[in-house]
Amino acid sequence: AQKVTQAQTEISVVEKEDVTLDCVYETRDTTYYLFWYKQPPSGELVFLIRRNSFDEQNEISGRYSWNFQKSTSSFNFTITASQVVDSAVYFCALSEITGANNLFFGTGTRLTVIP
Amino acid sequence: DARVTQTPRHKVTEMGQEVTMRCQPILGHNTVFWYRQTMMQGLELLAYFRNRAPLDDSGMPKDRFSAEMPDATLATLKIQPSEPRDSAVYFCASGLIDRGHPGAFFGQGTRLTVV
Repeated sequence: AQKVTQAQTEISVVEKEDVTLDCVYETRDTTYYLFWYKQPPSGELVFLIRRNSFDEQNEISGRYSWNFQKSTSSFNFTITASQVVDSAVYFCALSEITGANNLFFGTGTRLTVIP
Repeated sequence: DARVTQTPRHKVTEMGQEVTMRCQPILGHNTVFWYRQTMMQGLELLAYFRNRAPLDDSGMPKDRFSAEMPDATLATLKIQPSEPRDSAVYFCASGLIDRGHPGAFFGQGTRLTVV
């Protein structure tokens, strides 16, 4: 069975601090995809990144970076030099290749960046 | 800028009334998801279509919910009769999923309130 755990329910940081959001997953598949989505106060779900299980290279996009470690089943997300606009709920999700390919979401981490 | 379009954005209805939510997926996408988001349950998959065929609707209460794709540009989610416990944000998402899962792109959601 698949499961995504985001143990951090809420995080508050002061602007310009770095922050890491944790994501741990469980799956029996050897081929799967991991995602991060951002849900700002306006409510929409914004796709941030996809990573497949064969690609453990870390990725950086501007102030965002992702650390995928298969050995610990983790896919953590770091925001460097946080800004107030980063305040949102962030969801980690898993999709398995077998089955329906639907996304299984974690419960989300609410990030508040204090000016 | 391609995006998933959902209508209406907000809906308030009385218990027992029929509710229909509509979704226009991104042109060319072959997969449509319906998710429901509540504080208690988080993001739950209700139904999933690929090439307009329903693949998984196990997350949907069958006695009152129905999901259809009458054509490639329209997906609908209907609740009849609606109940207060159906109050939630309903998201539609689309993706182009073949051998991989490049990610699902979400609409802005329909916020449903049943009184």
